[in-house]
Amino acid sequence: SAVISQKPSRDICQRGTSLTIQCQVDSQVTMMFWYRQQPGQSLTLIATANQGSEATYESGFVIDKFPISRPNLTFSTLTVSNMSPEDSSIYLCSVVMEGQGVHYGYTFGSGTRLTVV
Amino acid sequence: GENVEQHPSTLSVQEGDSAVIKCTYSDSASNYFPWYKQELGKRPQLIIDIRSNVGEKKDQRIAVTLNKTAKHFSLHITETQPEDSAVYFCAARPRGAQKLVFGQGTRLTINP
Repeated sequence: SAVISQKPSRDICQRGTSLTIQCQVDSQVTMMFWYRQQPGQSLTLIATANQGSEATYESGFVIDKFPISRPNLTFSTLTVSNMSPEDSSIYLCSVVMEGQGVHYGYTFGSGTRLTVV
Repeated sequence: GENVEQHPSTLSVQEGDSAVIKCTYSDSASNYFPWYKQELGKRPQLIIDIRSNVGEKKDQRIAVTLNKTAKHFSLHITETQPEDSAVYFCAARPRGAQKLVFGQGTRLTINP
């Protein structure tokens, strides 16, 4: 399976500011996924990022709030813009490896714990 | 769209006993069902998965069963150990999509 490096691992930010989270994968992947996990809750998909096209956002998430970049097949960023305390959460990136009829499953980055004060 | 319901939300079992967590899904065309274990402060880790063309899969003490007619799948952990204590998430992948839709999670506690 793929190895994902995600950073920062945690940050404390002032409300109204923005934070950019990076994910680097050790293999080329077609799709990368960005999830939010609020304290004690499940994982909610924010958007799917394809290389060379605009990200596809899930209901309740908009590009102005969560802009995503996907410049190549191994890297993506998620920005949390104009933050408020309600954005305090863990943000995770994820990829799926498939090829030649073999499915390796979905792998997650180590997460970014964001606290907005 | 796909909706995944997971039960129970918390489960406490004695060490050595079995634990069963159940999930139901709404989209009959979903074709992939993974289970993840998440320890406190850690990332979700894939522990077992099953595709829609298989009814059961086993890996040592862990097994997953799938009932496509009833649209539910279950995680079975036998001979539980303290290190099995964690939050477990089921998920489903709708056909034609790459994304996963997650259940609400089950906090499993193994009592020594």
